Amino acid sequence: DTAVSQTPKYLVTQMGNDKSIKCEQNLGHDTMYWYKQDSKKFLKIMFSYNNKELIINETVPNRFSPKSPDKAHLNLHINSLELGDSAVYFCASSQGTGARNYGYTFGSGTRLTVV
Amino acid sequence: DQQVKQNSPSLSVQEGRISILNCDYTNSMFDYFLWYKKYPAEGPTFLISISSIKDKNEDGRFTVFLNKSAKHLSLHIVPSQPGDSAVYFCAASSNAGKSTFGDGTTLTVKP
Repeated sequence: DTAVSQTPKYLVTQMGNDKSIKCEQNLGHDTMYWYKQDSKKFLKIMFSYNNKELIINETVPNRFSPKSPDKAHLNLHINSLELGDSAVYFCASSQGTGARNYGYTFGSGTRLTVV
Repeated sequence: DQQVKQNSPSLSVQEGRISILNCDYTNSMFDYFLWYKKYPAEGPTFLISISSIKDKNEDGRFTVFLNKSAKHLSLHIVPSQPGDSAVYFCAASSNAGKSTFGDGTTLTVKP
């Protein structure tokens, strides 16, 4: 029973397309995140929601739009995909904001390849 | 501006020996530090954390040391096991509500 599940695991699409990645957590956590891991292996935060409210919105192109229909789900929609969007996208959750001393629980990632 | 740095991209140690992974940070507002382990095709898994009011935290074979004056932390794994082979990420958190990650160190433990 996966704690944080992302779908799809792999996504190959053409430039200019619109795509969505879904994330669900069954841990009862109230905070969810999207992180991007680029080719340099850095994990960079993109967005964070706490109880469906956007609390972190890093410098991300507005082609990326997160949506949280409830505190167990955080989806990521990407418009007009570009080659540079190719990366692994990780969803994560935590109880409370900041993951102070107990860390995040991550999903297994979605590898997005834009061709 | 890379606020959390792991200067060693890779480390190789013999089974049974100590593995020491290092991490440096620049932001004095960070007050919690965490280590994650990541296997291929999986998400990072939380390993151990330390508050900035402490200088050491131990959990089984894993010990994290924090040197606030040097803005440096390290993860010690003793004894190292082949199953410890993975990418290790250092992360730092402030009360702003996000964790900032380093770019990882690949640990290989040879049998």
